[in-house]
Amino acid sequence: NAGVTQTPKFQVLKTGQSMTLQCAQDMNHNSMYWYRQDPGMGLRLIYYSASEGTTDKGEVPNGYNVSRLNKREFSLRLESAAPSQTSVYFCASNGAIARETQYFGPGTRLLVL
Amino acid sequence: QKEVEQNSGPLSVPEGAIASLNCTYSDRGSQSFFWYRQYSGKSPELIMFIYSNGDKEDGRFTAQLNKASQYVSLLIRDSQPSDSATYLCAVNRRGNKLVFGAGTILRVKS
Repeated sequence: NAGVTQTPKFQVLKTGQSMTLQCAQDMNHNSMYWYRQDPGMGLRLIYYSASEGTTDKGEVPNGYNVSRLNKREFSLRLESAAPSQTSVYFCASNGAIARETQYFGPGTRLLVL
Repeated sequence: QKEVEQNSGPLSVPEGAIASLNCTYSDRGSQSFFWYRQYSGKSPELIMFIYSNGDKEDGRFTAQLNKASQYVSLLIRDSQPSDSATYLCAVNRRGNKLVFGAGTILRVKS
């Protein structure tokens, strides 16, 4: 039982390049989330998926797209990376009930030059 | 006004003392409240959650919730150097989304 996994762990991009961050969970959770964490800003929600086949914008969606590939996998895509997207990205998941705890992946450190 | 506010710290306490971490939130419709601990370079991990007014104890940790004052706190008794981390307060509003505070840095000095 690996919980929430993310790939890659670290990535360096040049401005304008694209990439996809991958996330998978093996806890049979319905809901999945993508956050970014910047110094002094806490965790901010980028996109979330309440269930397979649905996605919704969070607090900071601009410059990102997501795909809920199936119940296990939720990917985050940067189409044209910008230095402002340098951050640590966390994926999380939980069940469908609002009170349930979110479990986090190990994070992806992204540096955009 | 931020939805969830925490003092950024650092909060420094001596080993064995009680550390008190505070959090206020703005949405009165908030339903559940979480405390996460995050070590440097690691992902957040759940310490405690609380849904009802009052205190909830789990080992050395006590979460306190006062919905009338829109205030939630975390007490850490017998603080240890291993408790040194950033503590994130998170609030679940209507729906299934969490809003996080910016975190409080705790330093426990031996």
